[in-house]
Order: sequence, then C-alpha cells, then structure tokens
Amino acid sequence: GNSVTQMEGPVTLSEEAFLTINCTYTATGYPSLFWYVQYPGEGLQLLLKATKADDKGSNKGFEATYRKETTSFHLEKGSVQVSDSAVYFCALSNGDGLTFGKGTHLIIQP
Amino acid sequence: NAGVTQTPKFQVLKTGQSMTLQCAQDMNHEYMSWYRQDPGMGLRLIHYSVGAGITDQGEVPNGYNVSRSTTEDFPLRLLSAAPSQTSVYFCASSPDRGRGGYGYTFGSGTRLTVV
Repeated sequence: GNSVTQMEGPVTLSEEAFLTINCTYTATGYPSLFWYVQYPGEGLQLLLKATKADDKGSNKGFEATYRKETTSFHLEKGSVQVSDSAVYFCALSNGDGLTFGKGTHLIIQP
Repeated sequence: NAGVTQTPKFQVLKTGQSMTLQCAQDMNHEYMSWYRQDPGMGLRLIHYSVGAGITDQGEVPNGYNVSRSTTEDFPLRLLSAAPSQTSVYFCASSPDRGRGGYGYTFGSGTRLTVV
C-alpha cells in the first residue's frame, strides 16, 4: 500500500532561517507528489506539486524535488517568515485519492 | 468561482443521531472525496467517487455512507453517530485524480463533535 512519512515537529525556527521538512514515501507505480499547507482554522491549500521523477515544484519561495531513487520529496525554503507558520502536509496520489503524512507543525519566531 | 463548499461548518450530535455533511463543487470535477482529520493522524480517506453514480471505499469507510447522483454534489452520511466519529471532515475534488498534477481543491471543513 501507499504511505508517507514526514517529520512531525513542532519545528521552531527564527525568521530568515533555512527550512527543510523531510518527506519520504512508499507507493506502487509512479505517484504524483504534493505539499499542502494548513493555516489555523482553515482548510488545506495546495502549496506545490510534482508529477514525475526529477520534477521540481515551486511556489511562494518553497521548493521540492521529486527524487525517485530515494523516494523523497523534501520541502525547502531559503528564508522563512513569521507568516509561514502553519502545518505542512506531504501527500501522494496514484489515482485513488490522496495519502497524507501526519503533518509538520512549523513555528517561525520573529 | 466558489470552488468546494461544505456545510455546516460546525455540528454537535448526540450518540446515535444521524446527519448528512454536504459537499458541492462548481468546477465540473469528476473526482470527489471525503477525508477526516484527527490529531496526530493526518488526513485519512473515507470514500471517493470518480463520477456520478460511482463510489468506492477509502481507508476508513466504516460508519459512513456516500452517494453521487450529480457531478456537483457528494454528501457524506453518518447513519448512527459515535464519539469515535468526532473529527474535522474535509471534502476535496480534482479534475484528474491527481495524476496530471492539478492537485485537489479542498473545502473549508466541517468540525463534528459527537457527545
């Protein structure tokens, strides 16, 4: 079956620090990979996506590269802001719905 | 463009009561799905539909029923609510089931408490 593993946190960083949230997956076939973000009290918003090996998804300064050889899709940002504080979910889809990691709570301190 | 609309936003039920969580999308997406979000568990798939008249079970389907009579609507029914169904429920839709990379659009959620 499919599974996604990500660091759960909370992860606490200072503003302007470099961010990495690790995500690894197990799946049959060739899934699409996603990062979603959830702000307090809100639903999930698609942050970025990649559909095949070596694709790089990017949005709002965040990046992640689909690494098939290591089955990973790590999220990175060069300089985080207080407004990036949220819960981040790594997810995959191979056509029958999304499989999510448990989420990483990110806290950015000024 | 409203996207995915869920109602109600909040609901409190007594054990054994029934209710329907509503989900509607106006993007003409064929694929719709329901998830529940529990602390420390992430989101888990309950049921999904690949088009009108077609539904299938996800990871945690027990205690829930669905039907899909139109492309736009995908209601989730709790026939006899239990405290274990206390959760936040999200509906999501997609034009390509995630395979083409369009992703899924989520509603804002329904927070359900069963007492």
